[in-house]
Amino acid sequence: DGGITQSPKYLFRKEGQNVTLSCEQNLNHDAMYWYRQDPGQGLRLIYYSQIVNDFQKGDIAEGYSVSREKKESFPLTVTSAQKNPTAFYLCASIPGGSNEKLFFGSGTQLSVL
Amino acid sequence: GESVGLHLPTLSVQEGDNSIINCAYSNSASDYFIWYKQESGKGPQFIIDIRSNMDKRQGQRVTVLLNKTVKHLSLQIAATQPGDSAVYFCAENREETSGSRLTFGEGTQLTVNP
Repeated sequence: DGGITQSPKYLFRKEGQNVTLSCEQNLNHDAMYWYRQDPGQGLRLIYYSQIVNDFQKGDIAEGYSVSREKKESFPLTVTSAQKNPTAFYLCASIPGGSNEKLFFGSGTQLSVL
Repeated sequence: GESVGLHLPTLSVQEGDNSIINCAYSNSASDYFIWYKQESGKGPQFIIDIRSNMDKRQGQRVTVLLNKTVKHLSLQIAATQPGDSAVYFCAENREETSGSRLTFGEGTQLTVNP
């Protein structure tokens, strides 16, 4: 079964804690993306990666970090510097060229305790 | 029923009616556009796409219209069903030096009343 798997589905963060959201894809896609979605809002781009070992900041990268050591994995760390982390986080991928539709995972809801 | 731009984020229609969801995009250089449907607590699902060299594209019960002159995109859903209730997002693709990236609109909540 090919697809994008995000885990966990629900995650809670304590004050001052870093948490990492997992995103794995077995679609052999080159490019991967992280979006943040607040209630009643659209999707805002956090980070994206076109190839392994390379990634670029999106529109709201502050307080987040990523790595792309493997083609199939693009984990997102929400650091303690992100003061308002409560949101729905979506990971997506595309095969690699331009003008392609994004395939989305099912999302992770992050909340602050 | 019809929504207007991003200032009317909700649209309520009767089952069986046609729905029109509108979207204004910002970049005249954008060359690819997509409509997504998102149900509560789930990731967005692809509905239909259109490239900038076209002004209309039809799918099953859905039609996307592109007006590049006024930078406007619309999604028409025929014979709207309760299962169509969701948030609908338009997205525009831009080419940047670091690669292509999609920018999403704020979305429209479609509610279908039985």
